[in-house]
Amino acid sequence: DAKTTQPPSMDCAEGRAANLPCNHSTISGNEYVYWYRQIHSQGPQYIIHGLKNNETNEMASLIITEDRKSSTLILPHATLRDTAVYYCIVRVGLNQFYFGTGTSLTVIP
Amino acid sequence: DGGITQSPKYLFRKEGQNVTLSCEQNLNHDAMYWYRQDPGQGLRLIYYSQIVNDFQKGDIAEGYSVSREKKESFPLTVTSAQKNPTAFYLCASSITGAIGEKLFFGSGTQLSVL
Repeated sequence: DAKTTQPPSMDCAEGRAANLPCNHSTISGNEYVYWYRQIHSQGPQYIIHGLKNNETNEMASLIITEDRKSSTLILPHATLRDTAVYYCIVRVGLNQFYFGTGTSLTVIP
Repeated sequence: DGGITQSPKYLFRKEGQNVTLSCEQNLNHDAMYWYRQDPGQGLRLIYYSQIVNDFQKGDIAEGYSVSREKKESFPLTVTSAQKNPTAFYLCASSITGAIGEKLFFGSGTQLSVL
């Protein structure tokens, strides 16, 4: 029973904004949405997380729809170093992060 | 520099052998986790611990064991009962395990069967 659904792959031109969508239609009221990214054979790197409101930090912005059934991660000016697999994660319960299969983002020069 | 250290980076297991993966953190975090990642797939939770001397099974605990004798350390043993152990193993930690906290990950251990 998948908690999140993401497109398997996306391309983005260098310097443009990368918008990565995530569907989490079964999310409950107290479950957070997290985004991590992973470069091959390394540990996932935290990007951002949120509950209801939109969030922004030095890496990205997170836009959560009002009904909380979907969200979008925005990398405002993609660089080649942003090429990675991006995971949208719903925290299910106190100690359970459900990782889906992610979106493989390729930034093209 | 605070962080999570996993060792070794690469590990090979012979048939019938138990192997132990090390995970150490100096972040003073209470909660620690072990995940397994198979090629092209997301992460699956093996075990987690919120406090010393206590741990809980995750989704795929069969064939694995853990201990939490010290706050800083959460070693994972892959036993001979785990018939398909080849995978990338990731250790993580968070401050208390409460909802809303972020997880910090180590750099992983690649386990392969000889």
